[in-house]
Amino acid sequence: GNSVTQMEGPVTLSEEAFLTINCTYTATGYPSLFWYVQYPGEGLQLLLKATKADDKGSNKGFEATYRKETTSFHLEKGSVQVSDSAVYFCALDANTGNQFYFGTGTSLTVIP
Amino acid sequence: GAGVSQSPSNKVTEKGKDVELRCDPISGHTALYWYRQSLGQGLEFLIYFQGNSAPDKSGLPSDRFSAERTGGSVSTLTIQRTQQEDSAVYLCASSPDSRWGYTFGSGTRLTIV
Repeated sequence: GNSVTQMEGPVTLSEEAFLTINCTYTATGYPSLFWYVQYPGEGLQLLLKATKADDKGSNKGFEATYRKETTSFHLEKGSVQVSDSAVYFCALDANTGNQFYFGTGTSLTVIP
Repeated sequence: GAGVSQSPSNKVTEKGKDVELRCDPISGHTALYWYRQSLGQGLEFLIYFQGNSAPDKSGLPSDRFSAERTGGSVSTLTIQRTQQEDSAVYLCASSPDSRWGYTFGSGTRLTIV
């Protein structure tokens, strides 16, 4: 089956710290992988994506590399800002045309 | 429109009443999805529409839940005889092609009292 396992939160970091949020997946076939971000009081927004092995998705200083050998898609940012405080969701599209599979979300709080 | 529009943004209703939630997807997006986000939980898939095909209803939690999509555009999610466990944020998303990801609406926060 298809599933996403995401690092438990909440995560609290000081401004300018390095961020890693772990995400591993189980999938049949060749999925596409996504990170979504949900800022307080808002809907989910696509942050970045990767559609095949070894692709690196990047946006707003965040990066994630699709690692087929370790079935992972960890989210990283070199220097977080207070404005990065949000809930981050890892998601998988099994390319079967229907639902995405989401992780449970990781809450990040960045303190000045 | 420019984004996925959901209404109402907040809904408080008494247990046992029926509710309707509306989603207006991005124009031209053939795929439309409903998810539910409960407090402290991840996103739970409810239903998926693709063009004129029969919807994938495999995520609907009970027969109290139903959804329709008229004219391949606007969708309505209906919950009959609401229960307190139905309290959640209901999210709608649309996509022209799932490889590019979804665009989500801001959600409807449903509270059953």
